[in-house]
Amino acid sequence: KQEVTQIPAALSVPEGENLVLNCSFTDSAIYNLQWFRQDPGKGLTSLLLIQSSQREQTSGRLNASLDKSSGRSTLYIAASQPGDSATYLCAVKYQGGSEKLVFGKGMKLTVNP
Amino acid sequence: GAGVSQTPSNKVTEKGKYVELRCDPISGHTALYWYRQSLGQGPEFLIYFQGTGAADDSGLPNDRFFAVRPEGSVSTLKIQRTERGDSAVYLCASSLTRGSGTQYFGPGTRLLVL
Repeated sequence: KQEVTQIPAALSVPEGENLVLNCSFTDSAIYNLQWFRQDPGKGLTSLLLIQSSQREQTSGRLNASLDKSSGRSTLYIAASQPGDSATYLCAVKYQGGSEKLVFGKGMKLTVNP
Repeated sequence: GAGVSQTPSNKVTEKGKYVELRCDPISGHTALYWYRQSLGQGPEFLIYFQGTGAADDSGLPNDRFFAVRPEGSVSTLKIQRTERGDSAVYLCASSLTRGSGTQYFGPGTRLLVL
């Protein structure tokens, strides 16, 4: 079964810390992987998309890496701020023709001032 | 330009009733997706449209759920004989085309079945 796992489910840190969010997937035959942010009661905002041929993508303070062989992706957040508090979701599009994204349950991040 | 929009933002209905949820994708996006998100879970795929046709409806939980996209733009998700277990946030997403592009999500419709 194609699954995506995010551990831990929640994380609380003081402002200014550099953070690593983890995502693991069961099947290395992926098409791409996408990281999203979800604020309470809101939809999903796309943060970064990594194609299967790429190793990492960067946007501002965010950097996402992809290691297909180990079935892992990490989202690195530099110098965390209270405004980064949200739930972060990892989603994988697997090869095989399906266009659907398979999501993890997300990780709730709280950055304390 | 405008993002993906969904209406209504909230819907409260009684068990057994029929509901329709609407999604307006980003203009020009040919691919449209419906997902369902229960509390504390990640979104789960329901159905994918490429143009007017449902290219993959493997995620629809049963035959009470149906979706259409008659003109290749707006889509409607229809739920018949609603059950309390249908309560969730229904999310719509669109992408420029099928393949490697980013899926852009709307704000969702929060459905509560009493």
